[in-house]
Amino acid sequence: DGGITQSPKYLFRKEGQNVTLSCEQNLNHDAMYWYRQDPGQGLRLIYYSQIVNDFQKGDIAEGYSVSREKKESFPLTVTSAQKNPTAFYLCASSITPTGKETQYFGPGTRLLVL
Amino acid sequence: AQTVTQSQPEMSVQEAETVTLSCTYDTSESDYYLFWYKQPPSRQMILVIRQEAYKQQNATENRFSVNFQKAAKSFSLKISDSQLGDAAMYFCAYRGATNKLIFGTGTLLAVQP
Repeated sequence: DGGITQSPKYLFRKEGQNVTLSCEQNLNHDAMYWYRQDPGQGLRLIYYSQIVNDFQKGDIAEGYSVSREKKESFPLTVTSAQKNPTAFYLCASSITPTGKETQYFGPGTRLLVL
Repeated sequence: AQTVTQSQPEMSVQEAETVTLSCTYDTSESDYYLFWYKQPPSRQMILVIRQEAYKQQNATENRFSVNFQKAAKSFSLKISDSQLGDAAMYFCAYRGATNKLIFGTGTLLAVQP
């Protein structure tokens, strides 16, 4: 089945720790995205990648880092510099990065701080 | 900067009835795309319907249809014959020249049996 997978479903972070959220897609999509969702708010863009080995900051990139070494994978690292990381994180992809293309979402990862 | 506003934090509808969710947006662009996404309790975002701004005809997908008023910058979602499975958070989203998807704050829809 084609789709987007995210792991883990739940992730716990200790103070000062870096954690990495996984996002994999087998849809052969060029573009991938990371969003953060807080209660009562819509999704906000963290980072996006239009093609392998390329990525750009979104609206709330501070305290996060990404890599795009393979077309299928776009992991997100939440660093210790992110002071309020507790949120729901959603990964998405689209065939190309152009506006007309629909973004499809993975099931999400819930990050909690211990 | 573009913004998307959903002024109804919560809505309720009786099963089999029709409900309309409101969305307005602000932009100076002429070419853009609008989307409605559904987020059920599982929290996965599911595309409901999309509209291209250059198309005058309103998009429809089975029981879901939109009322796209470009001059008024309005993009409402109508759900006909509401079902229990329609209960979810609904997000309106805009995508323009920057290719960023900009979301509203969502409307929580409850369906009463």
